[in-house]
Amino acid sequence: EPEVTQTPSHQVTQMGQEVILRCVPISNHLYFYWYRQILGQKVEFLVSFYNNEISEKSEIFDDQFSVERPDGSNFTLKIRSTKLEDSAMYFCARGQGAFDGYTFGSGTRLTVV
Amino acid sequence: SQQGEEDPQALSIQEGENATMNCSYKTSINNLQWYRQNSGRGLVHLILIRSNEREKHSGRLRVTLDTSKKSSSLLITASRAADTASYFCATVARNTPLVFGKGTRLSVIA
Repeated sequence: EPEVTQTPSHQVTQMGQEVILRCVPISNHLYFYWYRQILGQKVEFLVSFYNNEISEKSEIFDDQFSVERPDGSNFTLKIRSTKLEDSAMYFCARGQGAFDGYTFGSGTRLTVV
Repeated sequence: SQQGEEDPQALSIQEGENATMNCSYKTSINNLQWYRQNSGRGLVHLILIRSNEREKHSGRLRVTLDTSKKSSSLLITASRAADTASYFCATVARNTPLVFGKGTRLSVIA
């Protein structure tokens, strides 16, 4: 099965700038997710996307974050005004539901300076 | 919180030995999954065990689940240097997404 592809692999941005992280799930999966991992810490859930709508989001996913699936294959995470603490690895994943494993992308390392 | 917590935090073994990692969680779950993460890379799904299963095998991996104790273990037999990675347990409860534990860093020394 095709992998989940994330671009860019690494992005450096100035504090306060907007960033868009891209994910190409390339599949007919219904569920898509964004997770993040601050260096040396656990993988944290951000948001789940089902049937082209947000189905669940965590406390981390505040008004600065948004997700879109602009076409049939791309899935994006936007951070409107980045903060230093947004620096992390961001992972996109796809799934088929509660009884299947997720397929994760290789991640985008976001560095906010 | 349903978060899984692994122990030990770090484990160092010789090649050929078995590695056992444990995971505990707090709430009822639908299933528990184990993932592997090589340094700086993405997460790779290893194995999923449902709440009504007690043991599952996949190659050199053996996973057990004890829902009465809310715990799981991952055993890697005959470890290889290439098994060096971080291993995470993650749980799925009803209508919730995957929640990860803090992970165990496994180092296999050749």
